[in-house]
Amino acid sequence: NAGVTQTPKFQVLKTGQSMTLQCAQDMNHEYMSWYRQDPGMGLRLIHYSVGAGITDQGEVPNGYNVSRSTTEDFPLRLLSAAPSQTSVYFCASGRQGELFFGEGSRLTVL
Amino acid sequence: KQEVTQIPAALSVPEGENLVLNCSFTDSAIYNLQWFRQDPGKGLTSLLLIQSSQREQTSGRLNASLDKSSGRSTLYIAASQPGDSATYLCAVPYGNKLVFGAGTILRVKS
Repeated sequence: NAGVTQTPKFQVLKTGQSMTLQCAQDMNHEYMSWYRQDPGMGLRLIHYSVGAGITDQGEVPNGYNVSRSTTEDFPLRLLSAAPSQTSVYFCASGRQGELFFGEGSRLTVL
Repeated sequence: KQEVTQIPAALSVPEGENLVLNCSFTDSAIYNLQWFRQDPGKGLTSLLLIQSSQREQTSGRLNASLDKSSGRSTLYIAASQPGDSATYLCAVPYGNKLVFGAGTILRVKS
């Protein structure tokens, strides 16, 4: 059972670089989301999607872009990385309020 | 606005003790509540999901209760083991996202 799969697990970027965090789920969930987790800040929602072709902003969307071309995939793009984006990123999918999380992607921006 | 509070922030107990983790939420119009476990450097693992129509849910040594009217949920862990050491988070749906508590860091000493 793959569940929610995130890649890469670790990434180091320089300020200004761009990259994409990948997320895939095999549970046929319509809802997918990206959170970031920072010490003392808890989990904060970046973007979410309620189905293919539909995305919306969460609490902290600035500097991030998403698209949802298929039910399975929900990539998160960092357009121009900044040190403030150093964090652990979690992708989650679910339905009816129950979420299942990936293992996380730890990003460091120098 | 939904706010979720977890008490205590940290808990250290000897192996074998029964313990209770508390979660409170400000908006009682929820349709479920989810408890998660997070090990250091790992993702969130769903432990229990309680629907609003249920008062409790059990899985092995874990029992979660929900009292919507008072805005409270408790997670009861029976006969704690060192392997239970982790951070426990509760979360409630709010709009198209989950609102998380800050978590309780549990350490079970052998």
